[in-house]
Amino acid sequence: SYVLTQPPSVSVAPGKTARITCGGNNIGSKSVHWYQQKPGQAPVLVIYYDSDRPSGIPERFSGSNSGNTATLTISRVEAGDEADYYCQVWDSSSDHAVFGGGTQLTVL
Amino acid sequence: EVQLVESGGGLVQPGGSLRLSCAASGFTFSSYWMSWVRQAPGKGLEWVANIKQDGSEKYYVDSVKGRFTISRDNAKNSLYLQMNSLRAEDTAVYYCARGSYSIENWGQGTLVTVSS
Repeated sequence: SYVLTQPPSVSVAPGKTARITCGGNNIGSKSVHWYQQKPGQAPVLVIYYDSDRPSGIPERFSGSNSGNTATLTISRVEAGDEADYYCQVWDSSSDHAVFGGGTQLTVL
Repeated sequence: EVQLVESGGGLVQPGGSLRLSCAASGFTFSSYWMSWVRQAPGKGLEWVANIKQDGSEKYYVDSVKGRFTISRDNAKNSLYLQMNSLRAEDTAVYYCARGSYSIENWGQGTLVTVSS
C-alpha cells in the first residue's frame, strides 16, 4: 500500500516561513491535499490539488508537489498556525485514501 | 453553510456492533461522494470508507473490510456506518466527511470506545 512520510514535528519562529514535507514514491504524479487540525477540533482543508486554496484560507498557505516530495509552506507564521498538519492522497491502485502520519507545527 | 452532524457513538464491548449516522445539510447531498475518517486517541487520521453519490461504489480500508458497511439515504440527506465485530483497535473519533479524493468538509466527530 502507498505510504506517505511526514516529519513528526517542525518548529518555527513567528514571522518566519514553515515548510512541512510529505514524502511518497513518485508523489508528484498524484494530487496532494493538506489539512490543519487544532487540538480538540476537526481537521480543516487548507490546500487541495497540490496548490489550490479553499476560500477563507489565507494566502500565507501554499503548496507544491514534485518528484517524491510535496511541501506545505506557511509564510509569515502566526501563533494561530500552531496545529497538526496532515497530507493526503488518493491511491488509485488500491482505491484507498491515504494520510501521512501528521506533523506538529510549533510556533516558538 | 455546510453542516455534518454525527451521532451514534458510545461504549461497546469487543465483538459488539454500533451504527453511526451523519446528518448533512447546507449542500446537495446526493451530488457528493461521502467518507468516514477516524482518529484513534492521540494518533493521526485514518480513512475508513467512502461511497459514491448513488451508492453504487464503496471502498474500505483493509482493516475494516467485511466488518464495516457504509451506506447512504439521499432522501434523508444521511450517511451511515454499520460497524460489526468491533475490536479495541477500532476505538477512535469517527468523522463524517464530504468528498473523496479530497475532504472538503468535516463533522465534529463521534467517539466510539470498544472496551470490556
